[in-house]
This record gives sequence, structure tokens and C-alpha cells, in this order.
Amino acid sequence: DVKVTQSSRYLVKRTGEKVFLECVQDMDHENMFWYRQDPGLGLRLIYFSYDVKMKEKGDIPEGYSVSREKKERFSLILESASTNQTSMYLCASSDLSGSSYNEQFFGPGTRLTVL
Amino acid sequence: QKEVEQNSGPLSVPEGAIASLNCTYSDRGSQSFFWYRQYSGKSPELIMFIYSNGDKEDGRFTAQLNKASQYVSLLIRDSQPSDSATYLCADSRGYSTLTFGKGTMLLVSP
Repeated sequence: DVKVTQSSRYLVKRTGEKVFLECVQDMDHENMFWYRQDPGLGLRLIYFSYDVKMKEKGDIPEGYSVSREKKERFSLILESASTNQTSMYLCASSDLSGSSYNEQFFGPGTRLTVL
Repeated sequence: QKEVEQNSGPLSVPEGAIASLNCTYSDRGSQSFFWYRQYSGKSPELIMFIYSNGDKEDGRFTAQLNKASQYVSLLIRDSQPSDSATYLCADSRGYSTLTFGKGTMLLVSP
């Protein structure tokens, strides 16, 4: 059974803290994604990676960075957390890069609150 | 920038009725389209994908694609209360990324 796991379901941090969100997939997928989901704004792509050590900006990369040192692991980093980064963060992975069919499998999400 | 538009709803239907969820997209070059279901507090899960004009059926679900009108729909026959969720439409863009609509909330009443 395909599986994407995220390090925390709930996280509370203070403004200015450095925050790490971890995502691991066990499907040997090439592609991994980080989204945030906010009421009324839907799912928005922050960063994605199509190979180890490769990263590409999504639609809203400001205030975030990512790291992919191993194929199965993709980390989202908030260098200095701010209250407007309070959100649900979803990680996803997919196979068959370049194909027209690229189902993304989602992790359970991390609800981050920045105080 | 590519856009995918959905009515936010809620769309309310009685149990046993057909629920019709609609989506429009801005990029004429879009090739593939996806419908995800998201229960409250859960992550999205894929229901169907479609890349050819016409209808694609899977059980109680039918996806319809009209590329000329840039329109995708999802029909749910014999709707059940367990179908109550938010339905996300997405289209495929480069590097295997997806552009998601904001989702339509469906409420099926017993």
C-alpha cells in the first residue's frame, strides 16, 4: 500500500523560529511536492522536486526553502516562521515524470500554528 | 498563470440523487484532468483522471471532458451521505505538477 508520511500532525511554533516539516514516501517516487491549504484559497504549490538535490519553486515559495538529500525524503523549511504561515501543509509524491498521467499521493498533513 | 475554477458550493443533494460537479480551466494546452475527494480534516485522494474528450465511467462516478469548452465535470450517481466531502478538480502542467481548483463542497442529505 502506497504511503506518504509527515513528521507531525500538529505543530505549534513561535514567530521567528526555524521550522522543519519532514515528509517521507516509500513508493520510490521521483517527484515530491509541498503544498499549503488555506480556507478559500485551496491548495497552493510551494516547492517541488523531481530528483534528489533538485528543487523547483512553485507558486508561493517566498519564506520557504526545501531540501531533498535522499529520494524518499523531502523537507520544507521555514527559515523564520511568521503568523501568516499558519496553515495546513500537505506533502505529496508521484511517479512517471513527463507522463500525462501523474497521480499525486498525499500525506496526512501537518497543521502548523505560528504564535 | 493557469487557473482552474470551481464553484465553492455547498452543493446539496438528497440521497440517491445525481450530484454534478463542474470545473473550468484556462489553459487550452492542458492534457490531463483529475478529480480528488477530500473529507474534512483529511488529505485529498484521487477518484478519477481523464485525458480524452468524452466520458469515463468508474462505478458510480463519471468524469466528462470537453476540451473545446475547457470544461470538466464529475457526476456521482446514487449519491450517498458518505460522498459528502470537498471535491477538487486539477489539471496537469509541466514537471508533473498539478493546478488545483479551490474545491466544491458536496453535502448529501439522508
